[in-house]
Amino acid sequence: EAGVAQSPRYKIIEKRQSVAFWCNPISGHATLYWYQQILGQGPKLLIQFQNNGVVDDSQLPKDRFSAERLKGVDSTLKIQPAKLEDSAVYLCASSSDRAQPQHFGDGTRLSIL
Amino acid sequence: GENVEQHPSTLSVQEGDSAVIKCTYSDSASNYFPWYKQELGKRPQLIIDIRSNVGEKKDQRIAVTLNKTAKHFSLHITETQPEDSAVYFCAASIDFGNEKLTFGTGTRLTIIP
Repeated sequence: EAGVAQSPRYKIIEKRQSVAFWCNPISGHATLYWYQQILGQGPKLLIQFQNNGVVDDSQLPKDRFSAERLKGVDSTLKIQPAKLEDSAVYLCASSSDRAQPQHFGDGTRLSIL
Repeated sequence: GENVEQHPSTLSVQEGDSAVIKCTYSDSASNYFPWYKQELGKRPQLIIDIRSNVGEKKDQRIAVTLNKTAKHFSLHITETQPEDSAVYFCAASIDFGNEKLTFGTGTRLTIIP
């Protein structure tokens, strides 16, 4: 089966600019996750969707980060405005349902200048 | 919330020897423990997972053990090969509760030929 697709792979922006990431989960997977992975650390969950509803966004910095999953398939994660500390790899993962193994995409490496 | 600690942060072993990575978790309600392997610049890949109704699980050269009383779990890799070199992350979550994965800080495993 095709894996989780993410784009772009790399993005370089200046602080205070905005950026958006896209994720297409494995076909049929109802649950979608966005993680932030800072260099040298493990991934940290930002937001979890079940179909097109939010299950957990407790660690999402809502003053600058937003995410949506219209129609319960693709998802976008946006940062506006970006800060230097947002430099990280943003990983999308999906699972067929809650309590099923999560499969990750290759991520988007974001660099803030 | 859940806190996962992982040791060691770096590990070097001779090819053919065994490697052991250990993790402890804080939330006694956690009942799902996956291990991910992440090669440089690539996506985390699930290599093995265990649920709390099982004490040990094995898949060829990889095994995971779980001690719920002590709240720790370990990854064992036997007969190590150069392609085992990567960063390994443990994680914990609660099925049908809070499925978000809380990751450890990672172990950089280097296999010395």
